[in-house]
Amino acid sequence: DIQMTQFPSSLSASVGDRVTITCRASQNFNSYLNWYQQKPGKAPKLLIYGASSLQSGVPSRFSGSGSGTDFTLSISSLQPEDSATYYCQQSYSTSYTFGQGTKLDFK
Amino acid sequence: EVQLLESGGALVQPGGSLRLSCATSGFTFSSYAMSWVRQAPGRGLEWVSGISVTESAPYYADSVKGRFTISRDNSKNTLYLQMNSLRADDTAVYYCAKDSSLIVGASWGFDYWGQGALVTVSS
Repeated sequence: DIQMTQFPSSLSASVGDRVTITCRASQNFNSYLNWYQQKPGKAPKLLIYGASSLQSGVPSRFSGSGSGTDFTLSISSLQPEDSATYYCQQSYSTSYTFGQGTKLDFK
Repeated sequence: EVQLLESGGALVQPGGSLRLSCATSGFTFSSYAMSWVRQAPGRGLEWVSGISVTESAPYYADSVKGRFTISRDNSKNTLYLQMNSLRADDTAVYYCAKDSSLIVGASWGFDYWGQGALVTVSS
């Protein structure tokens, strides 16, 4: 199985900051890398698919980049509603795997 | 509007069985792969199982292989997860998720999720 290592595991930032979350895969694959946002008690929400494509309805302050084994999710200007846990996921193999998650909160 | 509604979550004893259902609407169910994803209390997301548009292609995480069976009824727009030989570490909220592809693998992610069904395995 492809292992996904996500870091940092937690992150504190201020409104207006730019933050970056990284996801590293155990093997090289095409850009079948997705990012989700999950708020407490809610189902995850797809933010970015195919490493860099913005899901419909997601604010443009979210962006994704990367290829091969290293991928990043960036939030350009943090808003209070961005407090959540973020997960990467590879959807390349027939055994999907998620990263461990990054919990983002505000200072 | 796309909707996914899980049901069947319950408290079950170790070694017991349970079947989850996910009733869907608002999209052509027979044209998309579907998956189950679980989240243990306070933990991250774990993909459990996925099924392509034809039932001939189900896939499982190693942690549930041989104990869980995924299936779909395209005539009823419903996804199922039969869970046998349940263990305490199967305790989790189970989400059904719509894949953006018709097959498992080489997908653009899960674009819709249900609200989750809680399965508790305890004596």
